[in-house]
Amino acid sequence: DAGVTQSPTHLIKTRGQQVTLRCSPISGHKSVSWYQQVLGQGPQFIFQYYEKEERGRGNFPDRFSARQFPNYSSELNVNALLLGDSALYLCASSLSGVGSYNSPLHFGNGTRLTVT
Amino acid sequence: DAKTTQPNSMESNEEEPVHLPCNHSTISGTDYIHWYRQLPSQGPEYVIHGLTSNVNNRMASLAIAEDRKSSTLILHRATLRDAAVYYCILRGNSGGSNYKLTFGKGTLLTVNP
Repeated sequence: DAGVTQSPTHLIKTRGQQVTLRCSPISGHKSVSWYQQVLGQGPQFIFQYYEKEERGRGNFPDRFSARQFPNYSSELNVNALLLGDSALYLCASSLSGVGSYNSPLHFGNGTRLTVT
Repeated sequence: DAKTTQPNSMESNEEEPVHLPCNHSTISGTDYIHWYRQLPSQGPEYVIHGLTSNVNNRMASLAIAEDRKSSTLILHRATLRDAAVYYCILRGNSGGSNYKLTFGKGTLLTVNP
């Protein structure tokens, strides 16, 4: 079975530009979450979407936005890129959304974004 | 979110058991203890979770202290493939916070051949 797939795997952008990252969840999973992982740190929660609605948002500026499509895939958009946005962006899917604390998250291998 | 404390790093030899500790003294009664690991150049991978009783699966065992203020992830026979950062995470089932995982820095496990 295919796991969570993310594209692209690597990306280089310039300060001020905009970027879109894509995620395809495991088949049957309706919940998608996004995390940012800076080098040497654990992943930090950005968004969760369930059934195409935003169900949770982490402490990130409004430059970060996301959406989930009818097929449950998701996009993360970051506007006006800063050097500090350089990180590994991870997408995770799970069977259930809010209220299902036992449902493990399945992570993709991430998109490495470098902002120069 | 309730906080967990883990050693920054640990070292083990191949084919020996590994005990990875986690302290969570402010755990609430509804918090589950989850463990994930992250191999080099990969996303985190779910390992195991539990509430009060010890748990076993094909990957590992989770031993939870009676007062639930600490837990230990046990790898029964470490392999080189187990070298990773291991994260201990508390995940509640109330207050709408259960949708996210709050990662700390985790424990970097090195396995020597």
